[in-house]
Formats: sequence, structure tokens, C-alpha cells
Amino acid sequence: EAEVAQSPRYKITEKSQAVAFWCDPISGHATLYWYRQILGQGPELLVQFQDESVVDDSQLPKDRFSAERLKGVDSTLKIQPAELGDSAMYLCASSLDGDQPQHFGDGTRLSIL
Amino acid sequence: GNSVTQMEGPVTLSEEAFLTINCTYTATGYPSLFWYVQYPGEGLQLLLKATKADDKGSNKGFEATYRKETTSFHLEKGSVQVSDSAVYFCALRVTYKYIFGTGTRLKVLA
Repeated sequence: EAEVAQSPRYKITEKSQAVAFWCDPISGHATLYWYRQILGQGPELLVQFQDESVVDDSQLPKDRFSAERLKGVDSTLKIQPAELGDSAMYLCASSLDGDQPQHFGDGTRLSIL
Repeated sequence: GNSVTQMEGPVTLSEEAFLTINCTYTATGYPSLFWYVQYPGEGLQLLLKATKADDKGSNKGFEATYRKETTSFHLEKGSVQVSDSAVYFCALRVTYKYIFGTGTRLKVLA
């Protein structure tokens, strides 16, 4: 089965630096999700796209986080400037549409020093 | 608001033991319910789902029944294996938004 691709797998950076994550969903999947998973907790939705449009970014800290999916395919999540509390696993998921099950990538583990 | 509550782990069992992981939810409207499994260093994988009351989801020997009267979706397996060791997440979806529980770590000993 096709997978959701994420890169990098691991990222270590210093606070106040910029960091970016990339996600390539399963081909044909219109809905794309970015989640943050703090160690020992469940994923929390940051932003949800339907094609190239944002449908939910209510939990995205917009002062430092941004996300885009310009052509409705792959997506980038950026943090600038990074803070110590941003250390977490960032997961991308996709689905055919919002009513279908999600498929997750393996995530990017971010460590802020 | 919408929320999911799971039993705290870790749950430690011997191989071939019976497994129950409790999950209850609070939701407005009519949620769909899911169990996901996460192995170390990986993303979440859908284990099973149920979309309406009294539906039973099942996969790989795991089962869960959508109980509207008790707002529960408990995960069960009759005989666990060492390979079932992972973190299990209960989740609900309502109006296209997913809410996840905090996860329950399962450790199965040979």
C-alpha cells in the first residue's frame, strides 16, 4: 500500500531557529492533516487541508507556525522561531476525504536545544 | 466539548492473556470511533473502526463495539502476542475532526 512520506525523520535545532517539515500524502488523497504528538500523549490536530484550502487551523499557534499546501498535493509545516516547548513528534496524515480513514506517515521527531 | 478518555497504562500481560483497554468518549452529534496502534518510532496505523451505535469493528483478532448507552468503545483481544506490544489510541471523529485519547501502552511478555 502507498504510504504517506515525511521528511526529515529527525531534526535537532537550537531555539529561535527556523525549522520546516515536509509531507507527501498518498496520491489522490484530498485531505491532509498535520498533528503534533508530545511524548506520552495522543496526537493533537494543528491544521487540516482540503485540497489547497485550510479547513481547520484553530489549534495552530499562528504567531510562529505556518502551513501550506499550494498545489493541493504535498505540504510544508514551518516553525519560526522554534521554542523549547516545540520538541515533539510531528505527524502528517492523509485521507481520500474528511469522511474516510486517515493514513499516517512515520513522523518527524523534533528536538529543540 | 468532544473528548476521549482511555485507561492509563502501561498494561503488562503474559502471552495468550485476555486484553481489555477501556475507552469512553464525550461528543456532540454522532461520532465515528476508531482504535489506532503505534509501534515504536512509527506513525499511527488504523486498527479498527465503527461508524454507528452497536457496530463492531474487528481486525487481527482485536474487537471493539460502539456502545452509545455507555459512550464506550473498549478494545478487546482474546489472546495477546508479544508482537501486540505497542501504544493503542482510541479516537473519535465528529464533523470531520479527529480527537485522540492519550494512549495506552501495552507490554506483552513471553
